[in-house]
Amino acid sequence: RKEVEQDPGPFNVPEGATVAFNCTYSNSASQSFFWYRQDCRKEPKLLMSVYSSGNEDGRFTAQLNRASQYISLLIRDSKLSDSATYLCVVNSLHTDKLIFGTGTRLQVFP
Amino acid sequence: SQTIHQWPATLVQPVGSPLSLECTVEGTSNPNLYWYRQAAGRGLQLLFYSVGIGQISSEVPQNLSASRPQDRQFILSSKKLLLSDSGFYLCAWMWGIGAFFGQGTRLTVV
Repeated sequence: RKEVEQDPGPFNVPEGATVAFNCTYSNSASQSFFWYRQDCRKEPKLLMSVYSSGNEDGRFTAQLNRASQYISLLIRDSKLSDSATYLCVVNSLHTDKLIFGTGTRLQVFP
Repeated sequence: SQTIHQWPATLVQPVGSPLSLECTVEGTSNPNLYWYRQAAGRGLQLLFYSVGIGQISSEVPQNLSASRPQDRQFILSSKKLLLSDSGFYLCAWMWGIGAFFGQGTRLTVV
């Protein structure tokens, strides 16, 4: 089983739509969780950290469910510029490893 | 502010040639440093990580090696490249709120 798993997509949604991505992780000792965005042929960039109580940044909302070992990202009012690959990332303080999911591709169309 | 530099941006090397990619971080001390590889259309594979000078953890067996000769310098090397070493190589440093990436080196082995 992969340490971090994501639905690869692609998710094709119209502008203005709400879309949600899920990610599951296998290591229950994982401590830190993040969502990254990667544009084609570019380096990943931090979108937001995921906190236990859930957190929101504008149109983006991240949730963590430790009992079920999954995190989610919700994007409201999708923009064309949201088209990218979204990467789920998990870190374990015990190992200092930062493990990436394979990413979920989002394509927003007019 | 903290910055991470990675070079070169692109590289074309023949099979059997050596490789040296350098990554340096500015504006921080004792960072956790990581080397990732991303094959075309694939996720990020963790190759090496380092929590301090001379401390290297290898994640996958391969013909690559890493070294950390100075606190803010992380080097990825190979004595003889294989075709399968082609990919997008990314250096990252980690602190509390997430990891930050260099712009990456796109390596093509021919």
